[in-house]
Amino acid sequence: NAGVTQTPKFQVLKTGQSMTLQCAQDMNHEYMSWYRQDPGMGLRLIHYSVGAGITDQGEVPNGYNVSRSTTEDFPLRLLSAAPSQTSVYFCASTMTAGNTEAFFGQGTRLTVV
Amino acid sequence: GENVEQHPSTLSVQEGDSAVIKCTYSDSASNYFPWYKQELGKRPQLIIDIRSNVGEKKDQRIAVTLNKTAKHFSLHITETQPEDSAVYFCAASPWRVEYGNKLVFGAGTILRVKS
Repeated sequence: NAGVTQTPKFQVLKTGQSMTLQCAQDMNHEYMSWYRQDPGMGLRLIHYSVGAGITDQGEVPNGYNVSRSTTEDFPLRLLSAAPSQTSVYFCASTMTAGNTEAFFGQGTRLTVV
Repeated sequence: GENVEQHPSTLSVQEGDSAVIKCTYSDSASNYFPWYKQELGKRPQLIIDIRSNVGEKKDQRIAVTLNKTAKHFSLHITETQPEDSAVYFCAASPWRVEYGNKLVFGAGTILRVKS
């Protein structure tokens, strides 16, 4: 039982490039979400999903796309990377109604130059 | 939308002393209030949480209190140890089955425990 797994751990992109951050969980959690963490600002919600086929925007969705074709996977796509997207990205999952704890992946440190 | 403010931004205490971190939230619909500990380069990990139908919760040296009327909640760590040194985040969430856990985080508190 690996929990929430993110890949890659580190990535450097050039401005304008696109890429996908991967997130997978093996706990059969229904809810999954993506956060970004910037210095002095805590974590901010980018997108979230309440189940396969259902996604919605969070607090800071611009420049990012998500999809949820399976319960296990919730990839985050950067369409055209900008220096403002330099951040640490965390994926999280939560079980079902009645259990509210969010489990976080180990994070992806992204630098856009 | 929800806004969470956290104070202080840094806190230094002597080993064995208590530490208190305070948060306020703005949305009365929030009903779930977790606290996360994050060590340098690591993922946030839940240390304690409280729901809106409870006023206080304790787990060994850690306790959380919630005042719904004033919309604030606090983390209390007693008998601090050097391994408590980390960044602590509070969060609030209007948890619903329809959209799950939409956590709004405070900016974090750097806790340093001096031995």
